[in-house]
Amino acid sequence: RKEVEQDPGPFNVPEGATVAFNCTYSNSASQSFFWYRQDCRKEPKLLMSVYSSGNEDGRFTAQLNRASQYISLLIRDSKLSDSATYLCVVNFMDSNYQLIWGAGTKLIIKP
Amino acid sequence: NAGVTQTPKFQVLKTGQSMTLQCAQDMNHNSMYWYRQDPGMGLRLIYYSASEGTTDKGEVPNGYNVSRLNKREFSLRLESAAPSQTSVYFCASSFSTEGVSYGYTFGSGTRLTVV
Repeated sequence: RKEVEQDPGPFNVPEGATVAFNCTYSNSASQSFFWYRQDCRKEPKLLMSVYSSGNEDGRFTAQLNRASQYISLLIRDSKLSDSATYLCVVNFMDSNYQLIWGAGTKLIIKP
Repeated sequence: NAGVTQTPKFQVLKTGQSMTLQCAQDMNHNSMYWYRQDPGMGLRLIYYSASEGTTDKGEVPNGYNVSRLNKREFSLRLESAAPSQTSVYFCASSFSTEGVSYGYTFGSGTRLTVV
């Protein structure tokens, strides 16, 4: 069974702090990876794609560790607007276009 | 740009009633998907259509049917609604090739309550 596991949180973090959370996946034959952000009662929106060893976009850094089968998301200088649920998503090679979704990690940034 | 448009946004059904959720995308994506999301759970795939003319079951297809009407439109039908189908339903589309999906774009969701 293909699985994507996340700590559900919530992570309560003061504004300005750095926060990181991990996601583990079950199948080493995985091709692409994504982080999505979902605000309460809204649709998920793509935050970052992770196609190689990792990438950075402003305050956000995603890292991929294929040997240990996990990806991480680091948020620096956190803002109140970063409060959301962060979904880890994996495209397994034999899943015929299907993305497998983690249940999400809830992040709450406190003033 | 409209992206992915879902209708309706809200719906209340009585047990046994039927309804169709509509979804349309204007991004020329080849693949489309229907998910449901229940509180505290991840998105679960109901059905997907890898390309126009094809549909396949996902993780939780029972009680649902789909139609890929054309490249733009992918509808989800509940033939006889049950309280267990109370959920938020999301339609999504993506460009997919050689078994890889390059990220999804979602519609804003349909909140369905079955009483």
